[in-house]
Amino acid sequence: QKEVEQDPGPLSVPEGAIVSLNCTYSNSAFQYFMWYRQYSRKGPELLMYTYSSGNKEDGRFTAQVDKSSKYISLFIRDSQPSDSATYLCAMSGNNAGNMLTFGGGTRLMVKP
Amino acid sequence: ETGVTQTPRHLVMGMTNKKSLKCEQHLGHNAMYWYKQSAKKPLELMFVYNFKEQTENNSVPSRFSPECPNSSHLFLHLHTLQPEDSALYLCASSQDGGENYGYTFGSGTRLTVV
Repeated sequence: QKEVEQDPGPLSVPEGAIVSLNCTYSNSAFQYFMWYRQYSRKGPELLMYTYSSGNKEDGRFTAQVDKSSKYISLFIRDSQPSDSATYLCAMSGNNAGNMLTFGGGTRLMVKP
Repeated sequence: ETGVTQTPRHLVMGMTNKKSLKCEQHLGHNAMYWYKQSAKKPLELMFVYNFKEQTENNSVPSRFSPECPNSSHLFLHLHTLQPEDSALYLCASSQDGGENYGYTFGSGTRLTVV
């Protein structure tokens, strides 16, 4: 079993839809949770960062962490064609320095 | 630019060539990483340097040789590569210690081995 599981997609939605992207993980020591967005032929860029459980909102993006279920989500409201990218979840624990464990990424396509 | 600069952006090399990838970070970070990203596969960690010392070598073949002369520069020396080594090679940096704010990635070098 992989330490972090993420559905590879592709996920295709119409413009304006609410998108839900998810990751599950097995390591209960994970405390830091991040979402990266990667456009084609570019490096990943940090999109959202949360520590421990709870929600964090930034514009159209909301990150949720449920540590009891070992489940994290990224919601995108009013999705735009410019949101089309691969989204990678990443996480780490206090005992791993800054080493991140990545999910495999979900490819999202938002159609106009 | 993200503060992490990788050169070249694209590289085509023959299996007998020797080339080097360069990464430079302008963020004052103390840890740097090389990742390999192949089509439809997850990111693969290759090497980690912390305060210029290599702390991780993730069973990478010896045809890949990293070098970290200082905390701002990271190289990946390539020789006698195989076609299956064709991939996007990403460099990243982070500030180790304290709260984990994640990595900053460069734009990558797209490597094609012919």
